[in-house]
Amino acid sequence: SAVISQKPSRDICQRGTSLTIQCQVDSQVTMMFWYRQQPGQSLTLIATANQGSEATYESGFVIDKFPISRPNLTFSTLTVSNMSPEDSSIYLCSVVKAPDNEQFFGPGTRLTVL
Amino acid sequence: DAKTTQPTSMDCAEGRAANLPCNHSTISGNEYVYWYRQIHSQGPQYIIHGLKNNETNEMASLIITEDRKSSTLILPHATLRDTAVYYCIVRVGFSGSGANNLFFGTGTRLTVIP
Repeated sequence: SAVISQKPSRDICQRGTSLTIQCQVDSQVTMMFWYRQQPGQSLTLIATANQGSEATYESGFVIDKFPISRPNLTFSTLTVSNMSPEDSSIYLCSVVKAPDNEQFFGPGTRLTVL
Repeated sequence: DAKTTQPTSMDCAEGRAANLPCNHSTISGNEYVYWYRQIHSQGPQYIIHGLKNNETNEMASLIITEDRKSSTLILPHATLRDTAVYYCIVRVGFSGSGANNLFFGTGTRLTVIP
């Protein structure tokens, strides 16, 4: 298995500000992802965090709004920039571990934008 | 990735087997069937996955039809702690760009009744 921690676990932010969410894994993983789960909805993939290169974003998500870093195999950050109330959501870090390619999820960061 | 269809909700008596169906009629030959569950306010939890054969682990069993167009997740002895939203997704492996096409549907809300 993989133990994933996220910081902060929750935050309340003002409109127009930015928040950086950290994801730390207890072991090296092959792939890391960032998801969003809006209230009452299923998960939506934001991007794949690539080590040492730019993240790969899904349709509807752009780097200027959600810049992502992945400096090594166990750590990644997601920034939610210039926030608006529509960004209120749970943001989840997820990893895939070899050799069985099981996917694990972090506990999530609950973001409320006022 | 193929999309899936699941019932919106199901009830199950405590101690009985919970059988959660999933239709994935457009699944491709190289796509796996994965099951996750999400207990309120927590990140999704991996349960089981399979390609063609039935699979069993300490949590559940996965039965995949011969034509692979549907599957059933079986929790053999449901407990109150199994109350959660269960997601069935189909996906290619994690190599290359396949991981960019993940789709979490709305899932099945399973309620285990005392």
